[in-house]
Amino acid sequence: SQQGEEDPQALSIQEGENATMNCSYKTSINNLQWYRQNSGRGLVHLILIRSNEREKHSGRLRVTLDTSKKSSSLLITASRAADTASYFCATDQETGNQFYFGTGTSLTVIP
Amino acid sequence: SAVISQKPSRDICQRGTSLTIQCQVDSQVTMMFWYRQQPGQSLTLIATANQGSEATYESGFVIDKFPISRPNLTFSTLTVSNMSPEDSSIYLCSVAITDTQYFGPGTRLTVL
Repeated sequence: SQQGEEDPQALSIQEGENATMNCSYKTSINNLQWYRQNSGRGLVHLILIRSNEREKHSGRLRVTLDTSKKSSSLLITASRAADTASYFCATDQETGNQFYFGTGTSLTVIP
Repeated sequence: SAVISQKPSRDICQRGTSLTIQCQVDSQVTMMFWYRQQPGQSLTLIATANQGSEATYESGFVIDKFPISRPNLTFSTLTVSNMSPEDSSIYLCSVAITDTQYFGPGTRLTVL
């Protein structure tokens, strides 16, 4: 399966703390993207990082990419209760346009 | 970006019946995708739907079970045929614009 894996599967933190989620994948990629999904809803695109980039920021989000280890991390700083959601990484392979999603991390931010 | 709508948003169906899910995009796009998300799971790609050609199905998914139409550049349908309780999932369509995929709100299907 091309599906990546994320860890942890579930994460519970206090509001104001930072949350870090990791994603590993299996094949060479063009880009890696992170999405958020609130319970039972569609996916919201958060950030895209290209294979030739190592780090990217967007507001309270920081994404890193290590293509040698085939891994990425998403850091959410100063978390808020509204950040409670599932977070997925998705990769598109060099050989196609399909996206393959990681297993997801369920984040709970406690007010 | 793109605004994507799906119909229906949810449905409860009987075993053995079929349901057609519609996906509408507010702009013309070449590639549309259909995903399934089983309860508590990640997304699994069912097929890629390009206008003017047959859909390309991923391993484990077949056209007889999940026929797809793509009549124009803003619309696609996915039919879940001869449903069983194992088909209970959220079905999501997405479109690719440059390097990003944008998702519809999903259709929550429950099969009794």
